[in-house]
Amino acid sequence: GAVVSQHPSWVICKSGTSVKIECRSLDFQATTMFWYRQFPKQSLMLMATSNEGSKATYEQGVEKDKFLINHASLTLSTLTVTSAHPEDSSFYICSATGQPNSPLHFGNGTRLTVT
Amino acid sequence: AQKITQTQPGMFVQEKEAVTLDCTYDTSDPSYGLFWYKQPSSGEMIFLIYQGSYDQQNATEGRYSLNFQKARKSANLVISASQLGDSAMYFCAMRGGWDSSYKLIFGSGTRLLVRP
Repeated sequence: GAVVSQHPSWVICKSGTSVKIECRSLDFQATTMFWYRQFPKQSLMLMATSNEGSKATYEQGVEKDKFLINHASLTLSTLTVTSAHPEDSSFYICSATGQPNSPLHFGNGTRLTVT
Repeated sequence: AQKITQTQPGMFVQEKEAVTLDCTYDTSDPSYGLFWYKQPSSGEMIFLIYQGSYDQQNATEGRYSLNFQKARKSANLVISASQLGDSAMYFCAMRGGWDSSYKLIFGSGTRLLVRP
């Protein structure tokens, strides 16, 4: 089946540094990728929608200058948390899909801890 | 706008019994899809079952079935013959159509605990 690889699976960084999370579709072309954030014991909150070759569309309340999303190819999207702070500590998970009505495939998530 | 509501924060079920997890939704899209995902403590999202808005029959996948009542805008998940391994968070999700930019949004989730 279709696989989405997300890397790293966990990362610890110091406050003020930036962290990049990669999301790769391994065996299909992902025209659209979604980035979610999940705080403990809460649901997945959509942060942004990323379409290959165009700017990401951010959900209301998500700072686009803090959460930089790049979808430069049909198999790779990256989320960069810039100047991370402890409140950015969370579980970040991506999902990818090909055509609009195709199934969504999820990465295994990245647990970010900012100290 | 799209909205997904799960009103059961937590549920208990006895092993081998059936359990129903509730989900209601709201959307202005004429075409949409409804999903259920399981999230164990490890965090990965495991796809369970899908129901299209135009599907005439309720979806079934092994021990999972989706009780789709379009007029009531509900898409409840039924797990038959519960197993200890079914203990996890369960999320109902909806993917809208063009009007919603095909976004997949999630309900707040239900934590299911299967008792031996």
